[in-house]
Amino acid sequence: GQNIDQPTEMTATEGAIVQINCTYQTSGFNGLFWYQQHAGEAPTFLSYNVLDGLEEKGRFSSFLSRSKGYSYLLLKELQMKDSASYLCAARDTDKLIFGTGTRLQVFP
Amino acid sequence: DTAVSQTPKYLVTQMGNDKSIKCEQNLGHDTMYWYKQDSKKFLKIMFSYNNKELIINETVPNRFSPKSPDKAHLNLHINSLELGDSAVYFCASSEASGITQYFGPGTRLTVL
Repeated sequence: GQNIDQPTEMTATEGAIVQINCTYQTSGFNGLFWYQQHAGEAPTFLSYNVLDGLEEKGRFSSFLSRSKGYSYLLLKELQMKDSASYLCAARDTDKLIFGTGTRLQVFP
Repeated sequence: DTAVSQTPKYLVTQMGNDKSIKCEQNLGHDTMYWYKQDSKKFLKIMFSYNNKELIINETVPNRFSPKSPDKAHLNLHINSLELGDSAVYFCASSEASGITQYFGPGTRLTVL
């Protein structure tokens, strides 16, 4: 079957570091995506991992362990504008299976 | 220039009506998608088209009919609208099937 799990909500303080975890289970896995979605807006692409390891892109990093069916998104030096939902999505053959998203609130 | 555009942005209609949502992308992508995002923010794929051919059809009621007149456009027609169809519908496109997808701004459909 297909299953994507991530926490529903997280809170953090401006300037801090936060890690959003995602576990997945798909039959034809071939990549893991993270998207950011601000309230009332479209999801926007953040990162893509297909091989094990860490991909760093500015303040955001994403990690994948295929053997464990596990990924995380790491956000450093949090800013107020990072308050949004973060969607984990596993690519299953030719389609994306999304988790329900983690709503992150950043407080001053 | 907007990469993926949808019209209308908001759509309020009565149960039983038929409505269409239009999507256009100017990225030169071959693959386009329709997603439904419900009130719990769960984003679920409905259809995908590659070069005007239907690739994915995810157990969607046949009241929903996608149409792709060319590879830059993918429209969604919904017949006999029901209360449960209320959601935000997102169009997306990608260069190849499943690779990084770019989403449109969404259409918020409210069925009364």
